[in-house]
Amino acid sequence: DGGITQSPKYLFRKEGQNVTLSCEQNLNHDAMYWYRQDPGQGLRLIYYSQIVNDFQKGDIAEGYSVSREKKESFPLTVTSAQKNPTAFYLCASSIEEGAYEQYFGPGTRLTVT
Amino acid sequence: EDQVTQSPEALRLQEGESSSLNCSYTVSGLRGLFWYRQDPGKGPEFLFTLYSAGEEKEKERLKATLTKKESFLHITAPKPEDSATYLCAVQETDSWGKLQFGAGTQVVVTP
Repeated sequence: DGGITQSPKYLFRKEGQNVTLSCEQNLNHDAMYWYRQDPGQGLRLIYYSQIVNDFQKGDIAEGYSVSREKKESFPLTVTSAQKNPTAFYLCASSIEEGAYEQYFGPGTRLTVT
Repeated sequence: EDQVTQSPEALRLQEGESSSLNCSYTVSGLRGLFWYRQDPGKGPEFLFTLYSAGEEKEKERLKATLTKKESFLHITAPKPEDSATYLCAVQETDSWGKLQFGAGTQVVVTP
């Protein structure tokens, strides 16, 4: 089955620690995205990547970093500089950049205390 | 300034009671409008893409329509399994794939 996997499903960290969220897709999609979802708000774009070894900041990139070394993988690191890291993080991919539907993974819920 | 506004925020329906959800948007040019369904604690599931005013798409009990300023998601004779949060997102013509999401409408269908 083709799809997007995110791990872990739940993640707990102490304040001041960096943490990396995994995102893998086997859909052969070129474009990948990271979103953050908070209660009562729409999804907000953190970073996106249109192709391997290239990525751009979204609307709320401060305190986050990404890499895209392989087409299938787009890990997100939440650094200690992110002031409010507790949230539900969603990874998505689309066949390419453009008016194409984005398919989402199951999400990772990060709690920082 | 919100570009995508969904209403109502929440909707409670009896099984079989049809209703509509609204998604209004303010963008200079629309490249595409997307509807998703999201169950609690899960990632959004893609439903429809609409590209131009007048376009309609259907899937089972759901029908999405598009005008120049808004989209409607009609739920006909809903069942309890239609309970979910429905998300609307738009992509502008000069964007690179970025979706602007609304906050969603939470739908609860009771037997």
